Amino acid sequence: GQQVMQIPQYQHVQEGEDFTTYCNSSTTLSNIQWYKQRPGGHPVFLIQLVKSGEVKKQKRLTFQFGEAKKNSSLHITATQTTDVGTYFCASSGYSTLTFGKGTMLLVSP
Amino acid sequence: EAQVTQNPRYLITVTGKKLTVTCSQNMNHEYMSWYRQDPGLGLRQIYYSMNVEVTDKGDVPEGYKVSRKEKRNFPLILESPSPNQTSLYFCASKRGSSSGANVLTFGAGSRLTVL
Repeated sequence: GQQVMQIPQYQHVQEGEDFTTYCNSSTTLSNIQWYKQRPGGHPVFLIQLVKSGEVKKQKRLTFQFGEAKKNSSLHITATQTTDVGTYFCASSGYSTLTFGKGTMLLVSP
Repeated sequence: EAQVTQNPRYLITVTGKKLTVTCSQNMNHEYMSWYRQDPGLGLRQIYYSMNVEVTDKGDVPEGYKVSRKEKRNFPLILESPSPNQTSLYFCASKRGSSSGANVLTFGAGSRLTVL
């Protein structure tokens, strides 16, 4: 997969605030995946985006794939303490999945 | 239950003492991979295998070996571990490479400390 850069590296919010993490590439991506890793846990697949401009929602989570397929975002509305963890984007090539460095989200009650 | 099983989950060893981390999946997945996770560096791929007897280097293969003699197993071998291999290791598998089969299932992780 192609290299992807994720920002921010870390974010601390109050419960109820919104949160967004961004994933950027200098090249066009075939698709983008998002994973969540809870503290002490392993990465768990959240979603895959394939089409240009695609938007998908999972309850309070909204995932977007840019029109040029070079960037993606994950937005959480009204964060809860259960949202704590590290969120990774990943780009897939034919034989590999390359992960961004992740955004660690901390939510204070 | 569909899963990827890694063992051991925790290991403390000494420099130079050969060790093997086992990985097994029960989903009949063709593709298996090893990643290491280090603070600030994210998940980096060590080796991957697209099918039995087919393995290839990832981004950080130095100091590691793998084998894929059976579809379900993909052990990670550290012939002579060094302290810079202290890390959290994840095994993962997926059905294939097409868009619909491209989702990785991860094991619970193996935390390795090399003294």
